[in-house]
Amino acid sequence: DAGVTQSPTHLIKTRGQQVTLRCSPKSGHDTVSWYQQALGQGPQFIFQYYEEEERQRGNFPDRFSGHQFPNYSSELNVNALLLGDSALYLCASSPIGAGGYNEQFFGPGTRLTVL
Amino acid sequence: GDSVTQMEGPVTLSEEAFLTINCTYTATGYPSLFWYVQYPGEGLQLLLKATKADDKGSNKGFEATYRKETTSFHLEKGSVQVSDSAVYFCALVDSGTYKYIFGTGTRLKVLA
Repeated sequence: DAGVTQSPTHLIKTRGQQVTLRCSPKSGHDTVSWYQQALGQGPQFIFQYYEEEERQRGNFPDRFSGHQFPNYSSELNVNALLLGDSALYLCASSPIGAGGYNEQFFGPGTRLTVL
Repeated sequence: GDSVTQMEGPVTLSEEAFLTINCTYTATGYPSLFWYVQYPGEGLQLLLKATKADDKGSNKGFEATYRKETTSFHLEKGSVQVSDSAVYFCALVDSGTYKYIFGTGTRLKVLA
């Protein structure tokens, strides 16, 4: 059973560009959350998707947007990239029926570097 | 707002030493509490969890007890191994929200 998968593994962009990161949740999971983890810091919650809608959002600007597809996979889009957006972006999924309060299973992350 | 505070690292111990990593939290509701571990070059893995006061989570020799009166969820292990070297994150999700809050992480290094 595949766990949470993310693509790409690494990405290099320049300031002002746009980026799309992708996540496939673990089988049997319907809730996907996205996090930003700066070097040496804990993950910061960006938002959570459930039933193809954004259910909860952290303190991130509107440049960060997302989408969830009917197969529960998800995308994170970041527009007008800034140097400060350089980080590891983590996707996490939760089991169906967990209500969002259960443990999350994390993917390996996408390392984004903005030059 | 909700927050999690962890002791700063790095923590360096000899093999078989006793480990404590302190974690305290602030929450408006009744949060569930978690410890996650991140091994070098890998993603976060759930280590243990507790969903209500006085619950004890345990896994792989690690334990943590949900203490509502002290708003704490300290991680302990009686005898650490070199393979326990990793970064440990305390986290919470508050009831009524779906927003997970993580601490800044504590790096543990165990020497043979």
